[in-house]
Amino acid sequence: DAGVTQSPTHLIKTRGQQVTLRCSPKSGHDTVSWYQQALGQGPQFIFQYYEEEERQRGNFPDRFSGHQFPNYSSELNVNALLLGDSALYLCASSLVGRRRSGNTIYFGEGSWLTVV
Amino acid sequence: QQQVKQSPQSLIVQKGGISIINCAYENTAFDYFPWYQQFPGKGPALLIAIRPDVSEKKEGRFTISFNKSAKQFSLHIMDSQPGDSATYFCAASGSGGSNYKLTFGKGTLLTVNP
Repeated sequence: DAGVTQSPTHLIKTRGQQVTLRCSPKSGHDTVSWYQQALGQGPQFIFQYYEEEERQRGNFPDRFSGHQFPNYSSELNVNALLLGDSALYLCASSLVGRRRSGNTIYFGEGSWLTVV
Repeated sequence: QQQVKQSPQSLIVQKGGISIINCAYENTAFDYFPWYQQFPGKGPALLIAIRPDVSEKKEGRFTISFNKSAKQFSLHIMDSQPGDSATYFCAASGSGGSNYKLTFGKGTLLTVNP
């Protein structure tokens, strides 16, 4: 059973460029969330996708956008990169259901983005 | 506004000792409290989680204690091992529209000396 997979694992971009990160959720999961984890900090919620729509968004500018495909995979796009965007970007997947909150959320290994 | 406060920032424990990490939350809408373990260069891995209808949950050497009135919860690692050396994050999420959105603490770097 494949877990959450992300690509690429590492990448270096120049200020002002654009980047696309990709995520395949855990088998059977239909919800994908993206988190940004700066060095030495806890992950910060960027946004969540379910049924190909953005359902929730954290405190991130519009330069951060995403997409979810019919097969539940997702992309995170960041435009006009800033030095401060350098971080580990984590994809998390879960399964929407009618249960109470707390459906298990699984994380991928992340994509390390360095902006120079 | 930091909604989940975690302490200590770092912790050094001898092998076989007990590691204790504490978290406090502010948002009373939170009703799911997981702990994640993260090794360098890896993504966070779910360790154990609790809901506020119980005061304690134990899985192997890991125990969560939960105090709803104080809005605090803690992770206890019994018989700590060098392999437990990692960064530990507490987190919280709510129900309804905020379901599946985790708010994390800033993490605790645990070092277990052999």
